[in-house]
Amino acid sequence: NAGVMQNPRHLVRRRGQEARLRCSPMKGHSHVYWYRQLPEEGLKFMVYLQKENIIDESGMPKERFSAEFPKEGPSILRIQQVVRGDSAAYFCASSSRLAGSGDTQYFGPGTRLTVL
Amino acid sequence: DQQVKQNSPSLSVQEGRISILNCDYTNSMFDYFLWYKKYPAEGPTFLISISSIKDKNEDGRFTVFLNKSAKHLSLHIVPSQPGDSAVYFCAASEVSEKLVFGKGTKLTVNP
Repeated sequence: NAGVMQNPRHLVRRRGQEARLRCSPMKGHSHVYWYRQLPEEGLKFMVYLQKENIIDESGMPKERFSAEFPKEGPSILRIQQVVRGDSAAYFCASSSRLAGSGDTQYFGPGTRLTVL
Repeated sequence: DQQVKQNSPSLSVQEGRISILNCDYTNSMFDYFLWYKKYPAEGPTFLISISSIKDKNEDGRFTVFLNKSAKHLSLHIVPSQPGDSAVYFCAASEVSEKLVFGKGTKLTVNP
């Protein structure tokens, strides 16, 4: 999927554990987005980050969820004290935000989180 | 409040015929629209997009039409091929903003 890397592809956690999902954007892209897809639903926006900055976190649950995109390394979506309702597919997308063009986001393969 | 709606959960067409997938939106501030194709257990793959200043964009077998007054867009695939069978998502965004997705339409192209 256009070079966006996500790992792990599958993650199993027990209730109360922490989940860390990683995303490396396409080469040359400095904008990262996280989306969540629940069964039989479309993708829902969670958070938008640039390097070292959270631009829009309006879709993030207020508790237990956090995201970062450090100067070096991948973007991390962290879920603390996971609950069964966190089970979903989490997708990362990246874009280049070229001036004057539409913002096409390219998606990674996703991380499927299962909470037991 | 669902801002992007794909009212047909599924669509079945014969190989070689045209597939038409529809999408409606409510937010008049949306100015960029995209279609993604998704296979099970994979991420969405970008297909085609259209800016609100246009009413049509074509790329090979795929054409997207935008009717701003009706807040409606459609994706035409012609001719349809069995490999086109997947879930298709319509998405929309305001300038430099997050994508808002519909719930998807599952397309089945029968040989």
